[in-house]
Amino acid sequence: AAGVIQSPRHLIKEKRETATLKCYPIPRHDTVYWYQQGPGQDPQFLISFYEKMQSDKGSIPDRFSAQQFSDYHSELNMSSLELGDSALYFCASSPTTERSRGTQYFGPGTRLTVL
Amino acid sequence: GQQVMQIPQYQHVQEGEDFTTYCNSSTTLSNIQWYKQRPGGHPVFLIQLVKSGEVKKQKRLTFQFGEAKKNSSLHITATQTTDVGTYFCAGAGNMLTFGGGTRLMVKP
Repeated sequence: AAGVIQSPRHLIKEKRETATLKCYPIPRHDTVYWYQQGPGQDPQFLISFYEKMQSDKGSIPDRFSAQQFSDYHSELNMSSLELGDSALYFCASSPTTERSRGTQYFGPGTRLTVL
Repeated sequence: GQQVMQIPQYQHVQEGEDFTTYCNSSTTLSNIQWYKQRPGGHPVFLIQLVKSGEVKKQKRLTFQFGEAKKNSSLHITATQTTDVGTYFCAGAGNMLTFGGGTRLMVKP
């Protein structure tokens, strides 16, 4: 079965640089969520999109922005990177029928390291 | 805002022993989900509980939702080395609010 695809899987950046993470949801899933997971921590919700519109916002820094495109893939743009941004970034998707239940299917994550 | 907490943070068990992790929410939950994350992996959905007092079983795993819908537990009977990982509960709504997770380590 198709899963959520994230790219790149690993990314190394320097402080103050920018990064773009991509997420391709499971086919026919129209809701995308972004989470940040620091070492030894639980995933923290950043932002979500439903039908290409932002639906909920969590603890996403102002330096970050995201969008969902017409093909439902999503991109998380991160600017002025800081050392503290080093983390695993997960994308999750869910289909409309399950959205109200909240069941989310997580991608493998992108490990961002900021030097 | 909603806060979800889990205890214990870590648990070492001998293979064959039982394991339980407890989840508590500061607010009443519409439903609760459980995820398992293997070391180096991503969270994988295990189950969702919706009804007050609900109990669900998956092989050696038993999930409970409290009567007040503010707490939940996951119990694993006779742990195996394949059970190693971090178990997260998550209060579910438009977003998931994860508990801190319980990291289970199983000694063979």
